[in-house]
Formats: sequence, structure tokens, C-alpha cells
Amino acid sequence: DAGITQSPRHKVTETGTPVTLRCHQTENHRYMYWYRQDPGHGLRLIHYSYGVKDTDKGEVSDGYSVSRSKTEDFLLTLESATSSQTSVYFCAISAKINNEQFFGPGTRLTVL
Amino acid sequence: GENVEQHPSTLSVQEGDSAVIKCTYSDSASNYFPWYKQELGKGPQLIIDIRSNVGEKKDQRIAVTLNKTAKHFSLHITETQPEDSAVYFCAASRSNQGGKLIFGQGTELSVKP
Repeated sequence: DAGITQSPRHKVTETGTPVTLRCHQTENHRYMYWYRQDPGHGLRLIHYSYGVKDTDKGEVSDGYSVSRSKTEDFLLTLESATSSQTSVYFCAISAKINNEQFFGPGTRLTVL
Repeated sequence: GENVEQHPSTLSVQEGDSAVIKCTYSDSASNYFPWYKQELGKGPQLIIDIRSNVGEKKDQRIAVTLNKTAKHFSLHITETQPEDSAVYFCAASRSNQGGKLIFGQGTELSVKP
């Protein structure tokens, strides 16, 4: 399995609180992605990174921010969590554009 | 932007039968089409992919076909086995957009022994 971990694996939080999810890789891959998965929607891209300090928006970026200060870490922050952000969040990594993306185990986030 | 439609949403087959899942995409500039398998409680895992310069690709019991003119691609699984039961996702991307994958809605495949 690709060396990719996500933390925490489960989190319950209240509306209005800030939340940070962490993705850590040991593969030294350049590209990192954050997706959310909801029933009936498949996986939707939130943000992605193409290098340290280089990030861009995906399909559903509103309400989310990201940071990548090191190759191995990609952080996803919900500045003020809302119930609509209850979801399963997956991080993915890739060595090249249009190559296999390796997915982490996911983080289940519940916003009450 | 790109939109990917996937059908059917659920598929039930008998062990040994074939399964076909179809996807259509909207962006004619898309040039990479992977298929992922997701087992319960796990992240998706790539099972096969195809690029726009190829019409068909096979890997043992799995094959993918691509029709660029019609903008659709399909996953074919032959001689299905119970362990093929999972959710399958198609996706599309174009190389000048950072490898951003646009996923279909998923197909839940059930293989009955």
C-alpha cells in the first residue's frame, strides 16, 4: 500500500468550530488532493496541490482552505464547520499528472 | 466544466456472468480515464485506466473501452467472482488541469454466488 495516512480517522464536532484534517505521505509524491465523498455524488475534489505552497481549487472548495508547507503534509481546514460538511474525506497522492492516484483510508467527519 | 455520468447505480449479477458499467463525459479535451474500486470502509483503488490515444485495454478479467467520438467509456468484468462485489467509480481528467479527477456517481456491484 502507498504510504499515506490521514488523521484523525473519525471526528465529531459542532457547527461553527474550526476543524483541521491532516494527510501525510511517505512517497515523496508531488501531487496531493482532497476529496469528499457523499452518497449519490461519488467523490468530489475540494482542493489540490502541485507542490509545496502551490495549491488550487477543485469543484467544491467553498468553506475549505488548504496548506502545504512540506512535501509530505497536506492540511484541509474547515474554518467554521457546517452540517453540510458532514462527509467522508479522502486524501490522494500522485507522482505525475494523469497517473494513478493513491487514496488514503479516509476521515469520517460529523458536524452536529 | 467536466461532468461524468455513470450507469447503472446498482448492478446485480450471478457469479461467472459478465458485468458492464458505462460512463459518459462532457469535456472533449479529457484524455485520461481511470476506474476505481472501493470496498466497504476503504479508500478507492485503481483497477485499470485508459488514455485517449487507446481504444481498448485489458488486464486479465477486466477491460475498458473508450469511444472518443461518442465521449463514453465502459468497464467490462468477465467471469465475475464474489470478491468483485464493491462500488466502482469511473473518472475523467485532462492533463492541463493538474490531474483533477471528475468522478462518476458510482456503481454498486453485487456478485451473487
